[in-house]
Amino acid sequence: QKEVEQNSGPLSVPEGAIASLNCTYSDRGSQSFFWYRQYSGKSPELIMFIYSNGDKEDGRFTAQLNKASQYVSLLIRDSQPSDSATYLCAVGSSASKIIFGSGTRLSIRP
Amino acid sequence: SAVISQKPSRDICQRGTSLTIQCQVDSQVTMMFWYRQQPGQSLTLIATANQGSEATYESGFVIDKFPISRPNLTFSTLTVSNMSPEDSSIYLCSVVGGSSGNTIYFGEGSWLTVV
Repeated sequence: QKEVEQNSGPLSVPEGAIASLNCTYSDRGSQSFFWYRQYSGKSPELIMFIYSNGDKEDGRFTAQLNKASQYVSLLIRDSQPSDSATYLCAVGSSASKIIFGSGTRLSIRP
Repeated sequence: SAVISQKPSRDICQRGTSLTIQCQVDSQVTMMFWYRQQPGQSLTLIATANQGSEATYESGFVIDKFPISRPNLTFSTLTVSNMSPEDSSIYLCSVVGGSSGNTIYFGEGSWLTVV
């Protein structure tokens, strides 16, 4: 089992809709969770981080964390073509390392 | 967040040669890391660059292949030695920052193609 798992996609969402990206992790001791966006040919950029169970909202982005289910998600409201990118889930493990998932490719169709 | 600059940003390298990537941060940081991202793959941690001591390498990575220097708190280098096409990858320098001190920020990356 991979430590951080994501569906590779591509996930195709119509413009204006909500894009939902999911991630599961194996280390129950994980305490910090991150979402990065990576455009083709660019390095990853941090979108959001979340440490506590529940929802955290920042503009059009909402991160959701459920530690009991070992599940973290990212919702993107009012999806724009500029949101088309690969989204990387990263988890701060109990060994003080940050482990990245393989990423989900998101495509917003006009 | 810190501003992280990497050089070169892109290079085409001959098989068997070595290339050194430089990483400069605009502020002093305790922890610096080097990641690799092979085509279509996620990020894999190569090593933690320790100031004043040898780097700490992850499983599957060795000092002979990826020697790392960290002469001060703002600068580090990663050398990819005796390159083969399998080393074609993005190499990313990163630092830890953020209010809780555990968020990874990345440089622009160095895109290496080995021919």
